[in-house]
Amino acid sequence: RKEVEQDPGPFNVPEGATVAFNCTYSNSASQSFFWYRQDCRKEPKLLMSVYSSGNEDGRFTAQLNRASQYISLLIRDSKLSDSATYLCVGIAYSGAGSYQLTFGKGTKLSVIP
Amino acid sequence: DVKVTQSSRYLVKRTGEKVFLECVQDMDHENMFWYRQDPGLGLRLIYFSYDVKMKEKGDIPEGYSVSREKKERFSLILESASTNQTSMYLCASSTPGGMYYGYTFGSGTRLTVV
Repeated sequence: RKEVEQDPGPFNVPEGATVAFNCTYSNSASQSFFWYRQDCRKEPKLLMSVYSSGNEDGRFTAQLNRASQYISLLIRDSKLSDSATYLCVGIAYSGAGSYQLTFGKGTKLSVIP
Repeated sequence: DVKVTQSSRYLVKRTGEKVFLECVQDMDHENMFWYRQDPGLGLRLIYFSYDVKMKEKGDIPEGYSVSREKKERFSLILESASTNQTSMYLCASSTPGGMYYGYTFGSGTRLTVV
């Protein structure tokens, strides 16, 4: 079974802190990855895509290490509004023009005043 | 912005009822998906469709069926609702390039079966 594994947390960090989540994947055929953010009782929303070695968007940095099969998400200068569950998603081509997304179970972040 | 609309935000149904969950997207996406999300289990794929009248089983299709008569609409059907189908149901859509652009999710339907 092709899995994406995440530490469920919760990660409780003070405002302004830097926090990092790791995600490991077992399917070496995974070609790219996403990080989604999900607020309580809401739908997941795309945060970042990770195609090659990494991607940076403001306070958020995602890195991909194919040799070790893990992806990380770094959040700098945490804000209260960053409190959410972060889902790691692996994408693998499954043949006949289709692909499969595999979702991790999510890591919960709480940023404390 | 892609919009994926699920017909109900909250739904309460009785055991044995036939339940229809509707999902409509307005961006001409080919691919549509139904997931359920439960605490500790994450998102699990029920069914998906890459084209009109086409459907494929996901990881947990038992007790569910789907219908895709029009490109923009993907319906999930619980043939005879049971209490273990109480869950949050999420619909998503994407282009064939979804591996680059990701999925867009609807706001979810929280179904309670009593």
